[in-house]
Amino acid sequence: AQSVTQPDIHITVSEGASLELRCNYSYGATPYLFWYVQSPGQGLQLLLKYFSGDTLVQGIKGFEAEFKRSQSSFNLRKPSVHWSDAAEYFCAVGAGNQFYFGTGTSLTVIP
Amino acid sequence: DTEVTQTPKHLVMGMTNKKSLKCEQHMGHRAMYWYKQKAKKPPELMFVYSYEKLSINESVPSRFSPECPNSSLLNLHLHALQPEDSALYLCASSQESASGRETQYFGPGTRLLVL
Repeated sequence: AQSVTQPDIHITVSEGASLELRCNYSYGATPYLFWYVQSPGQGLQLLLKYFSGDTLVQGIKGFEAEFKRSQSSFNLRKPSVHWSDAAEYFCAVGAGNQFYFGTGTSLTVIP
Repeated sequence: DTEVTQTPKHLVMGMTNKKSLKCEQHMGHRAMYWYKQKAKKPPELMFVYSYEKLSINESVPSRFSPECPNSSLLNLHLHALQPEDSALYLCASSQESASGRETQYFGPGTRLLVL
């Protein structure tokens, strides 16, 4: 069965520090991969997506993600975190006609 | 323009009330979705409409009734809800029929409280 795992429930980083949020998936073929961000009480905003081609994907707000087939991972990175990045981050996998969300990682940014 | 709008932003209703949530998109998308999201949890899929026809119903109780009057509009009719139905209700749309390869664009949600 398909699944998406975000191992870190909560991460705290200092403003200006680098960030990496982990996402692992289980799917037989190459899936379609997405990262969404959700600020408190808001909808989900698409940060970036991977369908094929270059495995390093650039997104909005300075985020990037790298698809590693050998590790079944699609980790999200940002070189320097801003206080406004504090939010919930969801990795999602599109497989077949379904869309699977990870359980989310809550990011706290401290000054 | 990748905007999905939802009204109302907030809704408080009693267990005997009837209310409706509205979702609208003008991107020409042909698939629209309703999700329910509890605090600190990922969205849970409720319904999917493809080309204005209900294609997926994730065993949602009948007190939730979706409606797609046209390709731009999606409603969720609520009746006799329970307090545990209190949640953020998210609408999303994607360009073609529901598929894992389609990017879903989300609205801001309706925060529902059932008393």
